[in-house]
Amino acid sequence: AQSVTQPDIHITVSEGASLELRCNYSYGATPYLFWYVQSPGQGLQLLLKYFSGDTLVQGIKGFEAEFKRSQSSFNLRKPSVHWSDAAEYFCAVGAYNTNAGKSTFGDGTTLTVKP
Amino acid sequence: EAQVTQNPRYLITVTGKKLTVTCSQNMNHEYMSWYRQDPGLGLRQIYYSMNVEVTDKGDVPEGYKVSRKEKRNFPLILESPSPNQTSLYFCASRPRSGTSGMEYFGPGTRLTVT
Repeated sequence: AQSVTQPDIHITVSEGASLELRCNYSYGATPYLFWYVQSPGQGLQLLLKYFSGDTLVQGIKGFEAEFKRSQSSFNLRKPSVHWSDAAEYFCAVGAYNTNAGKSTFGDGTTLTVKP
Repeated sequence: EAQVTQNPRYLITVTGKKLTVTCSQNMNHEYMSWYRQDPGLGLRQIYYSMNVEVTDKGDVPEGYKVSRKEKRNFPLILESPSPNQTSLYFCASRPRSGTSGMEYFGPGTRLTVT
């Protein structure tokens, strides 16, 4: 069965500091991996995705993530956080190769940005 | 504009009164899903559909039904709602697997069952 773990429930960083949100997945084959962001009271917006190829993927809003197969990780990073980045972040894995349609999300990491 | 729409956006109902939340997408996507979001639990997939008349259970299907009679619509049915189904519900769609396989989410439906 596929699963996603986001070890950090809540992270606080200062504005301008770097950010790394952790994501570990469990899946039997090469996964399709996603990071979504949800601002308070809003829906989900895709930040970036990984399907194959280059393991470092660039997304919107200056975010990037690195797929590390050996560590089953897909951590999200940003070099300099802005106050508007405060939101909840979800990592997700999609089993599109075999059980097409089934998606699993992590429990989310809430990011607070200090001025 | 490419979008996923859900109706209603907010709903308060009583235990046992059947309700339907509609979902429609205008992108001709094959795949559609329903999720519920609860604090501390992230998003959990309720049901998904890979095409017309093809549906399958997600992680938390108990108490829900779906149908996919048309490609664009994927309604979520609660035959006898209970308070533990109070949640925020999202519908999503995506094209058949491939590099463009990201999910597009609707705005959400906040359901309260008293």
